[in-house]
Amino acid sequence: DQQVKQNSPSLSVQEGRISILNCDYTNSMFDYFLWYKKYPAEGPTFLISISSIKDKNEDGRFTVFLNKSAKHLSLHIVPSQPGDSAVYFCAARIRGNTPLVFGKGTRLSVIA
Amino acid sequence: EAGVTQFPSHSVIEKGQTVTLRCDPISGHDNLYWYRRVMGKEIKFLLHFVKESKQDESGMPNNRFLAERTGGTYSTLKVQPAELEDSGVYFCASSQTGFPDTQYFGPGTRLTVL
Repeated sequence: DQQVKQNSPSLSVQEGRISILNCDYTNSMFDYFLWYKKYPAEGPTFLISISSIKDKNEDGRFTVFLNKSAKHLSLHIVPSQPGDSAVYFCAARIRGNTPLVFGKGTRLSVIA
Repeated sequence: EAGVTQFPSHSVIEKGQTVTLRCDPISGHDNLYWYRRVMGKEIKFLLHFVKESKQDESGMPNNRFLAERTGGTYSTLKVQPAELEDSGVYFCASSQTGFPDTQYFGPGTRLTVL
């Protein structure tokens, strides 16, 4: 019973274009959502987050959108760069200082 | 500031043996979490320490897994005896108490049980 779902295992995008990674969740108790980026043989690196009281959060080339009614969030990367090639994990938690629930990840390949 | 460190980076053991993984959190982080990723699946929660106390161990798969956090600093996760299905990458994460409670992850320990 997956509470956080990333239905696209992989995504290929050309350098300079927009990358859109999607995530759906089922637990309406989640109040905070995070995106992590993971390179091979490394741990997940925090990228950007959003509270459930917001619908958008932006940090440089990265923007996360949250649609609570649809229980859907997305990560936009623009412009995409070859160094963005990694596995991206969507994660959520119910309240502060509680465990994260992760999706299975989406492998992004940015082609030069 | 040093990040979360884990030791060893890799461990290969035979079924029935014992392995101990170590995690050193970011200094000052009271919250320490253990997670595991098996066979390219999602990263799953194992347990959560607040200082030296186990706050939540609902993700621990069975009593072959024993976690400790002496003095509220580093933590160890012991698997005894190891089984084939214990193979995977074990991640440790730490966070401060309060907001933001972003969890910062270590590089992981890849455990292979033969």
